[in-house]
Amino acid sequence: DSGVTQTPKHLITATGQRVTLRCSPRSGDLSVYWYQQSLDQGLQFLIQYYNGEERAKGNILERFSAQQFPDLHSELNLSSLELGDSALYFCASSGGQGESRSSYEQYFGPGTRLTVT
Amino acid sequence: AQKITQTQPGMFVQEKEAVTLDCTYDTSDPSYGLFWYKQPSSGEMIFLIYQGSYDQQNATEGRYSLNFQKARKSANLVISASQLGDSAMYFCAMRVSNFGNEKLTFGTGTRLTIIP
Repeated sequence: DSGVTQTPKHLITATGQRVTLRCSPRSGDLSVYWYQQSLDQGLQFLIQYYNGEERAKGNILERFSAQQFPDLHSELNLSSLELGDSALYFCASSGGQGESRSSYEQYFGPGTRLTVT
Repeated sequence: AQKITQTQPGMFVQEKEAVTLDCTYDTSDPSYGLFWYKQPSSGEMIFLIYQGSYDQQNATEGRYSLNFQKARKSANLVISASQLGDSAMYFCAMRVSNFGNEKLTFGTGTRLTIIP
C-alpha cells in the first residue's frame, strides 16, 4: 500500500459527460501529480500541484482541469468526454521540493479506470 | 527534451534466475533521477528503486539493484533470484527538475514473465 488513495476505482460513463476523480496524497506529501495511461499513448504526465499551486503542465487537454485543496487532496475534472479518454488515471504524490532523495520518490495510487462508452 | 528507451518489449526468464531489464535515457540536464516501477496485472504502479544522477553508488532495495552507467546513459534494473510474483510490466522513468517541475517521463515498458 503506497499510502496514496484514489476514488473511484472504476468509472463508466457516456460520451459528452463530465466526471471528477479524487486523490488523497500520502501523509505529509505536498506534491500531487496526475498521469494518464492508455494503450496508444502509454504513461503520460498531465499536471502537477505543489501545496495548492499548479507547478507544471504536461499533455493535458483543455477539457481537463485539476485543483489541489488546502487539505492537499486533489481532484481531476474531465469534461465533454470522448471515447479516446478511456484510460487508467493515476495520481502520485511526493514530498515536493528539497534535496533529500525521498522527496523525489513518487508513490502512485491504485488508479481510476475510466471507460467512456 | 527527455527520453526514456526500453528496448525489450517482453522477456521470459526461468524462476530463480537473475534478470536484467534495460533502460537508456537522454537528457542534457546534469541533475536528474531515474526510477523503476512495477505494474502487475492488477494495474497499480509500485515504486521499486530510485537513483539520483549525483549518487556515488548504485541504488539497491532488497532483490532489486540499479546498474547505473552514467557515461552510457543507462540505468538497468537487476532482479536477483526471480520469483513467480515478479511477473509484471516494468517501467523505467526519469525526472528532471525544472523550477520545481518534477514530472516523470516514462519508457514504454518491458513485460517480464517468470517461468516455473
